[in-house]
Amino acid sequence: QVQLQESGPRLVKPSETLSLTCSVSGGSISGHYWGWFRQPPGRGLEWIGYIYYTGSSSYSPSLTSRVTMSVDTSKNQFSLKLTSVTAADTALYYCIRYGVQVAGFHYMDVWGEGATVTVSS
Amino acid sequence: EIVLTQSPATLSLSPGETATLSCRASQSFSSHLAWYQQKPGQAPRLLIYGASNRATGIPARFSGSGCGTDFTLTISSLEPEDFAVYYCQQRGNWPETFGPGTKVEI
Repeated sequence: QVQLQESGPRLVKPSETLSLTCSVSGGSISGHYWGWFRQPPGRGLEWIGYIYYTGSSSYSPSLTSRVTMSVDTSKNQFSLKLTSVTAADTALYYCIRYGVQVAGFHYMDVWGEGATVTVSS
Repeated sequence: EIVLTQSPATLSLSPGETATLSCRASQSFSSHLAWYQQKPGQAPRLLIYGASNRATGIPARFSGSGCGTDFTLTISSLEPEDFAVYYCQQRGNWPETFGPGTKVEI
């Protein structure tokens, strides 16, 4: 069974870069789309973006100027970088797998446990 | 981008009753919609994808329907573990977006 685990600093200073890595275990990163979501405290879900195992990616239009995702197939990991963070970026960050599909559209079926990242000086 | 509106915001029901949750879109996107369940302190769980397909391991009491702009998640005969927040998500139109959620409470 595929499992995902987020890792990275949980406290980031304003204007600095948030960096998270998602390690995939129990399966290969190849052949799938992978992504990131976040959930600010007490609020709903926000899509950050996704990346295919080949490296092609798509980002939320509201974050695209600050987001970069990458994939390392040799380590079975993918990563998120969010630059110039502010307090508004404080959230629970989830890495996910788009593992089920129908009619050519993929949906998120595996989630990491989430990483709470706080932006504060 | 497509805005998803979920109603009601909160649904107060008893175990054994049927829950009917609505998700309405600001524009049509065919049937590329999913439903997720989230319990406190847990990651969301995929329930329904493609508007009506149950994900692996999801009980038959969960069913989804709809197409275009109006979608429904029905939970028949609520079990105690079904009390949670439910989100709809559309993938038919970029960027993918979520609804604000419906809380199903006892």
